[in-house]
Amino acid sequence: EVQLVESGGGLVQPGRSLRLSCAASGFTFDDYAMHWVRQAPGKGLEWVSGISWNSGSIGYADSVKGRFTISRDNAKNSLYLQMNSLRAEDTALYYCAKDDSDILTGHGDYWGQGTLVTVSS
Amino acid sequence: QSVLTQPPSVSAAPGQKVTISCSGSSSNIGNNYVSWYQQLPGTAPKLLIYDNNKRPSGIPDRFSGSKSGTSATLGITGLQTGDEADYYCGTWDSSLSAGRWVFGGGTKLTVL
Repeated sequence: EVQLVESGGGLVQPGRSLRLSCAASGFTFDDYAMHWVRQAPGKGLEWVSGISWNSGSIGYADSVKGRFTISRDNAKNSLYLQMNSLRAEDTALYYCAKDDSDILTGHGDYWGQGTLVTVSS
Repeated sequence: QSVLTQPPSVSAAPGQKVTISCSGSSSNIGNNYVSWYQQLPGTAPKLLIYDNNKRPSGIPDRFSGSKSGTSATLGITGLQTGDEADYYCGTWDSSLSAGRWVFGGGTKLTVL
């Protein structure tokens, strides 16, 4: 059974940093690309970033480019999102999602339950 | 403003059929597969339809998907109260050099 478990969310002040993690199990992690997708309270889904199986291809939404960094550790079956210079508008539930391909296609077939990030003073 | 356009809400009675539209452009729906996601209240999105019209294992055939040109449609027949949820379409957008995963704004389904 595929499982994606996010962690690392919390309350953080504007301008500070936070690192999210996603622990994957139930599939061969290094065979697939992975994504972070967020959902602000009461709003729709917004893609944040994606990374291919070997980290050779990485993409970011314009809203986070230059502030967020995605990475993965295939030996640990883990995906990460380093979030710097956080803003109030980054407040959201952050989901980890598995792609059904080894490259970035946006074919998200499994999603975690999310970790909540709240940016507020 | 979402890249893909969906109606904010649709409604129908139990047992009836409903369709949800998703409109895009040649840089996204027109040249890439479309997926549909169901988000029940308080839960994570769940894949409902992939590759325009395929259902993952466990998804009942009451749910169907289609695509024509730069638009896609999700159909749900035999509506049940348990189908009340937000539905999102998604696809890859190739308009930027790196590409991006884009979604519709979501459609809230109410089963009256």
